Amino acid sequence: DAEITQSPRHKITETGRQVTLACHQTWNHNNMFWYRQDLGHGLRLIHYSYGVHDTNKGEVSDGYSVSRSNTEDLPLTLESAASSQTSVYFCASSDNQETQYFGPGTRLLVL
Amino acid sequence: ELKVEQNPLFLSMQEGKNYTIYCNYSTTSDRLYWYRQDPGKSLESLFVLLSNGAVKQEGRLMASLDTKARLSTLHITAAVHDLSATYFCAVDYFGNEKLTFGTGTRLTIIP
Repeated sequence: DAEITQSPRHKITETGRQVTLACHQTWNHNNMFWYRQDLGHGLRLIHYSYGVHDTNKGEVSDGYSVSRSNTEDLPLTLESAASSQTSVYFCASSDNQETQYFGPGTRLLVL
Repeated sequence: ELKVEQNPLFLSMQEGKNYTIYCNYSTTSDRLYWYRQDPGKSLESLFVLLSNGAVKQEGRLMASLDTKARLSTLHITAAVHDLSATYFCAVDYFGNEKLTFGTGTRLTIIP
């Protein structure tokens, strides 16, 4: 069955370190998204991509970057982790304005 | 500013009762999504509403969209414990899948 996976599921890191969160989908969806979820804020869009080599900034993109070298993967990189980036991160994919399908999430703690 | 407001934020209701969750949004859109999230889990798509007057039903849940009032409702009929979860609405303001989420309604069904 097609699916969307994220790794790691849990991560503890130190302030200033570079961290990469992986997202992999097997639906062959063109569109992929990264969100963070924090209490009181719902989900907020970090970056998104409509296809290979296409990336765009979302609402809360500062301190994050993405790259899209193939259809299946959209890794999210925290260039220099900060405590304010402690959050739950969700990856999602969609096939052109159908609903977005969400991955299981990554819990990130920055100490 | 693009806003999505849900109310109530917390809802505790008895099994067998009916209730409605409201989702108000700040400017014109005719694309609205409802998601469910169980504690510690990912988001599950419930409904996609794509036009004014759209109504969709699945089991005890029914969602509707009034684009003129900028309002969507999620109605719960004869609640059962399994419906306990957090419910999010999300608006696609520009038809580009950049979703703006509400802060969620945490629903607890009491036996």
